[in-house]
This record gives sequence, C-alpha cells and structure tokens, in this order.
Amino acid sequence: DAKTTQPPSMDCAEGRAANLPCNHSTISGNEYVYWYRQIHSQGPQYIIHGLKNNETNEMASLIITEDRKSSTLILPHATLRDTAVYYCIVRVNFGNEKLTFGTGTRLTIIP
Amino acid sequence: DTGVSQNPRHKITKRGQNVTFRCDPISEHNRLYWYRQTLGQGPEFLTYFQNEAQLEKSRLLSDRFSAERPKGSFSTLEIQRTEQGDSAMYLCASSLRDGRPANEKLFFGSGTQLSVL
Repeated sequence: DAKTTQPPSMDCAEGRAANLPCNHSTISGNEYVYWYRQIHSQGPQYIIHGLKNNETNEMASLIITEDRKSSTLILPHATLRDTAVYYCIVRVNFGNEKLTFGTGTRLTIIP
Repeated sequence: DTGVSQNPRHKITKRGQNVTFRCDPISEHNRLYWYRQTLGQGPEFLTYFQNEAQLEKSRLLSDRFSAERPKGSFSTLEIQRTEQGDSAMYLCASSLRDGRPANEKLFFGSGTQLSVL
C-alpha cells in the first residue's frame, strides 16, 4: 500500500471548517483513499472514502486532486466533538486488503 | 447497542502470565480484525478472519499470540507468557465484505487495554 503523509497536529476554531490535508504521491490507480478518526479512548471510526471523484456524506467531504497525489478531508462546521486523531489511508480493493494506519493528524477544535 | 464489543476493557497482569481477550463483532459481519495500538501510534494490524478462516497474520504476531474465531462469530486473542512489551491497546474490528471490497467499512470496538507489570 502507498504511504501517506499528514501534518502531526492542527487546530481549528469551533464552527469553522476544518481542512485536513493528506499527501499520497505514490498512490496507484487501483488504490482508494480512506479516512478514519479516533476519539480519545475509543476505537477508530470510518468517515469517508473515495477513488478519484469528490465525495460527501453526512460527516464530511473528501476532495481528491486530479492527479490523485493528495486529498483534503473537510469537516464543514467543526464542533468540540470533532477533536480526534484523523487517519488518511490508501488501500487497494483486492489482494492484501488490510488497513494500514499511520500516526495521523491530531485535530483540536478550540472553543 | 449492536456495535463491536470487547471484553475486558482493562487487564492488568504479571509478566509470564497468559491472558485472553474476547471480541463480539456486529452479528452479520463476516470479517473480523485484530489490531494493536501503543501510545502515540496508529493501530497496527495483527490478523484477520473471513468467517472462521484466519486469512492473514502479521509478522508482529509472534508464536506467543494466537487468535481464533471458532464458529465465525466471536473471536478470542490469547497471549501466552506475557512480556512488558505486550502492554498496549488491543482493538477488534468487524466488517461486511461483499462483492464491492472498496466499500468495506471497519467498525471498531473500544479495545482492551493490557498492562503487563
């Protein structure tokens, strides 16, 4: 699986949009981008995934660049409950399919 | 609550003792994963099952570790002769793997925190 690079930490004001970047410059054509988050003392939680088109669900939006070498997770109106570690993961959808987590971005929402 | 359940939540043991953790996945899920997480790190893959078959084991899983999923439902992870380096959070996740593997979503439990003294 391709490796990802994320900033170790970010802050965002409550009510503002949180934009979390992820670099995956070595991603291959059959690899998807997945985002999970982990709130303190809990297991990771699925947020969203995509291949090459932008995706949106009730939790977040995922913007993938045209060359697919980077992506941004957007939390449109951050709340204090969004404080967590956010993991960007790339994974093929066949073969060796396990999720490989990096160290993620620690997002702190500031009141 | 129909989420993934892990027991116990916390386990303190002495070095050299054996410990066993249990994971109850979401009932219709056919895949079950075990991960280990240490402070400040992301979860590390240990092993996974498709129904009752163990399909992959990480090289992190030494001979002291064994996992089972006897009837394709709950799973146990046993660590024999525990060492201080085994201290970590052990996370279980389950998923429904169908004909669209890209859409597989893992649902994690809250983990078992192991402390080896």
